[in-house]
Amino acid sequence: RKEVEQDPGPFNVPEGATVAFNCTYSNSASQSFFWYRQDCRKEPKLLMSVYSSGNEDGRFTAQLNRASQYISLLIRDSKLSDSATYLCVVTQPGRRALTFGSGTRLQVQP
Amino acid sequence: DGGITQSPKYLFRKEGQNVTLSCEQNLNHDAMYWYRQDPGQGLRLIYYSQIVNDFQKGDIAEGYSVSREKKESFPLTVTSAQKNPTAFYLCASSIQVNTEAFFGQGTRLTV
Repeated sequence: RKEVEQDPGPFNVPEGATVAFNCTYSNSASQSFFWYRQDCRKEPKLLMSVYSSGNEDGRFTAQLNRASQYISLLIRDSKLSDSATYLCVVTQPGRRALTFGSGTRLQVQP
Repeated sequence: DGGITQSPKYLFRKEGQNVTLSCEQNLNHDAMYWYRQDPGQGLRLIYYSQIVNDFQKGDIAEGYSVSREKKESFPLTVTSAQKNPTAFYLCASSIQVNTEAFFGQGTRLTV
């Protein structure tokens, strides 16, 4: 089983739609969780951290479910500019670097 | 402007050559990392460094070497022993290990 698994997509949605991505992780002792955004042929950029209580940043909401070992990202009112690959990232005990999922590609269409 | 600078942006290497990718940060971060990304795939960890004069192998260190003589700098050498070096190389830094990391713009290496 991969350490971090994501549905690769692509998710094709119309502008204004709400879309949700899930990501599962294998190590129940993982401590920190993040979502990064990566545009085509660019570097990943931090979108938001994921807190146990869930957190929101504008149109973006992240949630953590430790019992089921998954995190989610909800994007409301999708914009064309949201088109990108979204990377799920976790930390793992005994490993001193972030572990990245392969990413979920989102394509928002006019 | 604070940030992470990688150079060059594009690099072409002949087989059998060693090449060095530069990574410099002025964020005063202790931890630095090198990742490799292949088309359509996630990031894989090559090497990381928690502090000056210390570095550790990641998941795919074979054929690569690094140094960390200064806090600001973490260069990566791709040696001729690396069999499939063509990839997108990303350098990152963080305040300390296992906190959110910030990336440079990457170097595309083609052999």
